[in-house]
Parts: sequence; C-alpha cells; structure tokens
Amino acid sequence: ETGVTQSPTHLIKTRGQQVTLRCSSQSGHNTVSWYQQALGQGPQFIFQYYREEENGRGNFPPRFSGLQFPNYSSELNVNALELDDSALYLCASSTLGVFDYGYTFGSGTRLTVV
Amino acid sequence: AQRVTQPEKLLSVFKGAPVELKCNYSYSGSPELFWYVQYSRQRLQLLLRHISRESIKGFTADLNKGETSFHLKKPFAQEEDSAMYYCALDKAAGNKLTFGGGTRVLVKP
Repeated sequence: ETGVTQSPTHLIKTRGQQVTLRCSSQSGHNTVSWYQQALGQGPQFIFQYYREEENGRGNFPPRFSGLQFPNYSSELNVNALELDDSALYLCASSTLGVFDYGYTFGSGTRLTVV
Repeated sequence: AQRVTQPEKLLSVFKGAPVELKCNYSYSGSPELFWYVQYSRQRLQLLLRHISRESIKGFTADLNKGETSFHLKKPFAQEEDSAMYYCALDKAAGNKLTFGGGTRVLVKP
C-alpha cells in the first residue's frame, strides 16, 4: 500500500507568479483535502476534492483553486502569489465518510514567496 | 464557525512527570475530536480520536462536552514523546479538519 506523496518538496516563487502543487493519494482513497500551514500555526483547511469535484472550501480566496483527476490524485494551484502565501502546504487523502486511521497526510510542499 | 484553541505553545516537563495538553473547542453541534502528533522530520499522524476511547502510547483524552474540552494526558512522559501536538475537530464526518495552533512538548531527561 502506497502512502500520500507530494511534489515538489520545496520551491521558491516570486510575488505575482503562479504555482502548482501535486498530491498523489493513497491507494483506495477517493478524497483529497488540502491544508495551508503557516510558520508556527496549525494547518488551515483550504478545500477538499471528491470524485473530481470541489466538496467544501475554507476561508481562502478564489486564486486558490484545485483539480482532482480520475486516479484521485490532485493539484493545488495558486495564482498571483503574495508574500503571505509562504507556508507548508499539506494534502491528506481519505475515504469520504469513513474517518478512521486512513486519513493520511503527505509530507508537504514548502512554498517560499519572495 | 468552529474553532479549536490550544492555550499552551510550549510544555516542558521532566521524564517520568505527568503531562497534560489543553484543548478547547467551540462548535454548536457534536464534533469528532482528534489529537495529531508530528515528530521531528516526520509527517503529521493521528494519535487518537475521541470515538475510539483508546489509549495510544500511554496517552488518553476525554471529551468533556460541558466544558467543550478535549485535553490530552499522559501520566509518565518519555523522551520520545517530544513532538508537536495538534488538537483537531471534524464536524459531521466531513473529513475537513479544523486544527488548533499546536503545543510543542519537550521532555527533558
């Protein structure tokens, strides 16, 4: 059984640029949730994808968008990057409605905006 | 909107001493509550959830609906317990977690 993998692990972008982060969900999971973790804070829910549709969104502006593919992997896109977007971005895969020990987090992508 | 508060940023205890991490939440419904742990250089992982009512690595947590709290306790801390701990809430089994700000536990020898 494979775990959740995220890529890239680190990247640096310039303010105003766009970025795409990727997440491969764990085998057998159909839902991917994305979180933003700023330095010294707990993760904040961005949005969730289930069966290729957005299934809930946190308090993040529309320039944060996502996709889920038929194999349940997912992308997080952020347009018009701002300095405050610098954070660790985590994805978690699960089976919707089945919250057991299968809610699995990736190691994250650390984004630095300069 | 739901909210999770962990009032202590850092807890420093000696090995063998008891440790208690506080977690308070605000939510009008019946949430699911969890404790997550992140050891150094490792990914976030589930420690325990209130529904299972089990003890993991010697830790227990009791949900107090009257006080809206879900404090994490361990009677005898070990050095390997040093880590970041996050309390989290999920409403309606939606798999969308609201996290607290985290508490760093440092267990000194």
